[in-house]
Amino acid sequence: DTGVSQDPRHKITKRGQNVTFRCDPISEHNRLYWYRQTLGQGPEFLTYFQNEAQLEKSRLLSDRFSAERPKGSFSTLEIQRTEQGDSAMYLCASSSSGTSTDTQYFGPGTRLTVL
Amino acid sequence: SQQGEEDPQALSIQEGENATMNCSYKTSINNLQWYRQNSGRGLVHLILIRSNEREKHSGRLRVTLDTSKKSSSLLITASRAADTASYFCATAPSGGYQKVTFGTGTKLQVIP
Repeated sequence: DTGVSQDPRHKITKRGQNVTFRCDPISEHNRLYWYRQTLGQGPEFLTYFQNEAQLEKSRLLSDRFSAERPKGSFSTLEIQRTEQGDSAMYLCASSSSGTSTDTQYFGPGTRLTVL
Repeated sequence: SQQGEEDPQALSIQEGENATMNCSYKTSINNLQWYRQNSGRGLVHLILIRSNEREKHSGRLRVTLDTSKKSSSLLITASRAADTASYFCATAPSGGYQKVTFGTGTKLQVIP
């Protein structure tokens, strides 16, 4: 199965530490998305890449957050100086602009707990 | 911010019964999608309906879309315990790329 994969699946960190998450999209997909989901809520859009270009960032993405997709394949999401409010599930999705529906396929997520 | 609101927030039914979930949204859309999420897991795409479609079926799923009322419904027939999950609607806006906005979800429990 070559679905979207995310690493790590769980991360526990202390407030003030930096964390980095990785997402590997479906290989032929050129679009990649990051979302954040808190308990009882739907996913909230964070940022979007088409190939290596970051085309949109949500206002939710403060200056402590940075995302990259250097070669248009995998992506990383880094959170600097983590805060307890950053505790959430971070979801990655990918899609292909070559399809008529551009359906997004999600990875299993990385659950972040900030102590 | 969430684009859509699902109704009800939670639903509990017996196995074999039908489950209906509703989604309302605010802006013009290109398409509307429904996703399922099992507890603590990623989202699984279920079905997509385009803005020019009114009804769509996939297996035990039936989706309707009323663009004049900005609402959609998801019907799961003959529910099974394995259908227990949260269900989210997600809308893609008219024009531009497909930035999808999710609703708040309906938590469905199917009791064996």
